[in-house]
Amino acid sequence: GAVVSQHPSWVICKSGTSVKIECRSLDFQATTMFWYRQFPKQSLMLMATSNEGSKATYEQGVEKDKFLINHASLTLSTLTVTSAHPEDSSFYICSATQQTRSSYEQYFGPGTRLTVT
Amino acid sequence: RKEVEQDPGPFNVPEGATVAFNCTYSNSASQSFFWYRQDCRKEPKLLMSVYSSGNEDGRFTAQLNRASQYISLLIRDSKLSDSATYLCVVMVSYQLTFGKGTKLSVIP
Repeated sequence: GAVVSQHPSWVICKSGTSVKIECRSLDFQATTMFWYRQFPKQSLMLMATSNEGSKATYEQGVEKDKFLINHASLTLSTLTVTSAHPEDSSFYICSATQQTRSSYEQYFGPGTRLTVT
Repeated sequence: RKEVEQDPGPFNVPEGATVAFNCTYSNSASQSFFWYRQDCRKEPKLLMSVYSSGNEDGRFTAQLNRASQYISLLIRDSKLSDSATYLCVVMVSYQLTFGKGTKLSVIP
């Protein structure tokens, strides 16, 4: 299957600082990438859809000014958590779509575990 | 009603058992269907897509019933390595919606 990488894999930061997470599709081009958040024992929740060369589309309840998304190339999308607070501590996962013969399949990055102290 | 509902689990089964996961979805416009597995503190990994005709991959069989908006996954001859959380996933307009998952523990 397709490979998606994320960096960093984990990060600890102080409240009020900003954190940037990178998501890369390594062996394919992804015009669309997605950012999810998963709290313990909860399902993945879609935060935003990132389209190369255009503004991201945010899900209801997700603050676009707090979670800045940039998708500058077909293989890279970044998520910046600005002015992070302890409640932003979560597992952030990106995914990229690859079209197959019969459907679009999403492949996930390994995730970034963010802890805000 | 939740968009994607799964058995709450957890399922604890002995090695070699057959285990079935059930899932229902509420959006009749759903286009594609998948089962993912997620290991603890890891990202979800695609297990298999689910087609209306049903499909099989080794010990895994997936079924889709669009009329009743029901998806299933059957694992035969379960192995210790099958222990994970199984996520039922539905795609609408190229966006995925995840069920909460059902945790499976295969016991020696």
